[in-house]
Amino acid sequence: EAQVTQNPRYLITVTGKKLTVTCSQNMNHEYMSWYRQDPGLGLRQIYYSMNVEVTDKGDVPEGYKVSRKEKRNFPLILESPSPNQTSLYFCASSIGTGREQYFGPGTRLTVT
Amino acid sequence: GEDVEQSLFLSVREGDSSVINCTYTDSSSTYLYWYKQEPGAGLQLLTYIFSNMDMKQDQRLTVLLNKKDKHLSLRIADTQTGDSAIYFCAEGTNSGGSNYKLTFGKGTLLTVNP
Repeated sequence: EAQVTQNPRYLITVTGKKLTVTCSQNMNHEYMSWYRQDPGLGLRQIYYSMNVEVTDKGDVPEGYKVSRKEKRNFPLILESPSPNQTSLYFCASSIGTGREQYFGPGTRLTVT
Repeated sequence: GEDVEQSLFLSVREGDSSVINCTYTDSSSTYLYWYKQEPGAGLQLLTYIFSNMDMKQDQRLTVLLNKKDKHLSLRIADTQTGDSAIYFCAEGTNSGGSNYKLTFGKGTLLTVNP
């Protein structure tokens, strides 16, 4: 089944403790992206990747890192999480730019 | 810059048609999208329309695009209780060189009453 998977689905952590949210797609998509969803703000793009080893900042990249060592995986790294990063995070992929993006199920992160 | 606006709430009776409206600002949008989010779930791509089209129909869903007014609508025929969800309008634009970014509205909560 073609899908985008994320792990974990739920995470509660403390300020400053490094964490990684994984994202994997099995559709051989080149383009991958991370969004965060906050009440009243909608979805905002954090980082995107055009292909392996090609990543760039979206609208709200501060406090996040990403890597793209393999085509199928695009992990989101929070080196020192803070409470303002409490949010619902979505990974998305598409076959290329200018095409429809398919979203993962989301990761609900709480930073205390 | 890009901005997408949509009404926050819509309530309809089961069997009626629902129309969710959206306006966007970036005239360079290539595709416009409708996503559905059910409680506790991810975003499901419902349908999309290329910016040089004015209508697309897919079973119970009809998308209308008025490019001149930058207005997009989603009509759901014979709305069912299972259609209750948040519906997001999104525009896709090329930005920052190679990026293709989706800009989302804040979502319309559709409530279907039996």
